[in-house]
Amino acid sequence: GNSVTQMEGPVTLSEEAFLTINCTYTATGYPSLFWYVQYPGEGLQLLLKATKADDKGSNKGFEATYRKETTSFHLEKGSVQVSDSAVYFCALTDSGAGSYQLTFGKGTKLSVIP
Amino acid sequence: DAGITQSPRHKVTETGTPVTLRCHQTENHRYMYWYRQDPGHGLRLIHYSYGVKDTDKGEVSDGYSVSRSKTEDFLLTLESATSSQTSVYFCAISSAGLAGVDTQYFGPGTRLTVL
Repeated sequence: GNSVTQMEGPVTLSEEAFLTINCTYTATGYPSLFWYVQYPGEGLQLLLKATKADDKGSNKGFEATYRKETTSFHLEKGSVQVSDSAVYFCALTDSGAGSYQLTFGKGTKLSVIP
Repeated sequence: DAGITQSPRHKVTETGTPVTLRCHQTENHRYMYWYRQDPGHGLRLIHYSYGVKDTDKGEVSDGYSVSRSKTEDFLLTLESATSSQTSVYFCAISSAGLAGVDTQYFGPGTRLTVL
């Protein structure tokens, strides 16, 4: 079956630090990969996505590259802000396996301190 | 923002009582989903729907049932609530494109406490 593994948190960084949140996956078909973000007290919002190998998704200064050879989709940002404090979820859908269900990682909580 | 609302937003109930949560969308999307979010587990799929009256089970469907009589509404029912069903419940919608890429958009969530 499909699964997503992301680094355990919480992660605490100082403002302007570099961020990496690791995400690896297993899938039986041809997954599309996503990062969602959840701010305190809110639902999940799509942050970025990539639909095929070597695609790079980007949004709000965040980037992630779909690496098929390493089955990874690590999230990066060059300079984090306090407003980036949230929980980040890596996820995949495996439509090539006939399913549109999202499989999520467990989430990584990021706290950015001034 | 996608037009998704959930009701109620907060509910406290007692063990053994029935509970129904409602998800309403204004986007006319075909697919609707119910997830639960628990610490240490991320989000887990309970049930989903791929059309009116077409539903299927997800990863953690035991103790839950769903119904979809209209495109815009997807109901989640706990027939007899248990304390293990205390959680935050999220509804999501999507419209799979030709490439099958399925971006899901989430509602604001319902916090359910079963005493």
